[in-house]
Amino acid sequence: QVQLVQSGAEVKKPGASVKVSCKASGYTFTSYYMHWVRQAPGQGLEWMGIINPSGGSTSYAQKFQGRVTMTRDTSTSTVYMELSSLRSEDTAVYYCARGVYSGNAFDIWGQGTMVTVSS
Amino acid sequence: EIVMTQSPATLSVSPGERATLSCRASQSVSSNLAWYQQKPGQAPRLLIYGASTRATGIPARFSGSGSGTEFTLTISSLQSEDFAVYYCQQYNNWPLSFGQGTKLEIK
Repeated sequence: QVQLVQSGAEVKKPGASVKVSCKASGYTFTSYYMHWVRQAPGQGLEWMGIINPSGGSTSYAQKFQGRVTMTRDTSTSTVYMELSSLRSEDTAVYYCARGVYSGNAFDIWGQGTMVTVSS
Repeated sequence: EIVMTQSPATLSVSPGERATLSCRASQSVSSNLAWYQQKPGQAPRLLIYGASTRATGIPARFSGSGSGTEFTLTISSLQSEDFAVYYCQQYNNWPLSFGQGTKLEIK
């Protein structure tokens, strides 16, 4: 079945970086965009950016420009999201989500990865 | 950036009754509007895309309507499993944006 499986929870210190993975299965990896969305505790959903697994092109929300890098490995059908210069406000659950219907609605979501930033 | 505003923030409805949730965009998003349901500890689930098309496997009691800047999600007869938080999302322009959510709770 179609699924996205993310890496496990992370605890990081302020100023560090975190890299979250998202492994796709059950469909042609290069045929669908992949997005990253985060959710701070008790808060709503926030779009971070998009990667085209076919060519690797990316587009990031302005808020994260310069701090986020999205990459992919077509040999393992995995996308990665790396966020640097972490601060306490980055504590959140990070989701990958497959893009459909012009590539920008999300039909399949990963289970989420909790990233905690604490000194 | 397009700002999505949902109302009300919390909606209390009895099982079996109808629930109507609203979403407004700060500028036109055409019909590029999706609705998601999220339960505690779970990832969101796509309910509606294209403002009014149910996603695969979504029961017929969920319906969406609207275009431009005003949208509605209606749940015709609430089941116990429908009590959750609902988000709208516009995908007409980047950056993509979500509403702040409506919590649907049991009355």
